Amino acid sequence: EIVMTQSPVTLSVSPGEGATLSCRASQSVSSDLAWYQQKPGQAPRLLIYGASSRATGIPGRFSGSGSGTEFTLSISSLQSEDFAVYYCQQYNGWPRTFGQGTKVEIK
Amino acid sequence: EVQLVESGGDLEQPGGSLRLSCEASGFIFSHNEMNWVRQIPGKGLEWVSHISSSGQTTYYADSVQGRFIISRDNTRNSLYLQMNSLRAEDTAVYYCARGALGHCTSSMCYVSFDVWGQGTMVTVSS
Repeated sequence: EIVMTQSPVTLSVSPGEGATLSCRASQSVSSDLAWYQQKPGQAPRLLIYGASSRATGIPGRFSGSGSGTEFTLSISSLQSEDFAVYYCQQYNGWPRTFGQGTKVEIK
Repeated sequence: EVQLVESGGDLEQPGGSLRLSCEASGFIFSHNEMNWVRQIPGKGLEWVSHISSSGQTTYYADSVQGRFIISRDNTRNSLYLQMNSLRAEDTAVYYCARGALGHCTSSMCYVSFDVWGQGTMVTVSS
């Protein structure tokens, strides 16, 4: 099983500032890496697939990078609606696995 | 509008069975692989099961292998999860999710989960 490890667990950011979230895979997943955003009481929403491609309707302030085992989700100039939990997920091997999540909270 | 709507969640006793359903609309259901993902309230996401677009190929998490069965009816635009021998640790919100956006080789597709339902709650307790 490919283990996905996200850091930090919690990130405190002021509105308007940028944020960088990390995700590490226990073995290479090539670029088969997605990022999801989840707000309380809601289903996850796909932000990034293929490590760096934004899903339909996702604002340009969200960007993804990386390949192999190291990945990053960057959010420039956080808006109020961006405070949420973010999960990375690999879809290169079975079982599909998620990271434990990073909570981005208001500082 | 592309939409997935789950149903069937309930309170069930340990050892019991439940069948979850996920009705799809707004897209050609038979074109997409589908998944079930669960989430214990307040915790992270756990992938549960996958089924190919034709229904011929399935995968399961070790935690549910041998107890859960995923299936689909492309004529009814519906995905199912038959949950048997339920345990307290199966208590969670269950989401269905469409597989799309990624890449395919000649033998397999590697796709993210681009559309999710709102979830249905399963509680296993005596």
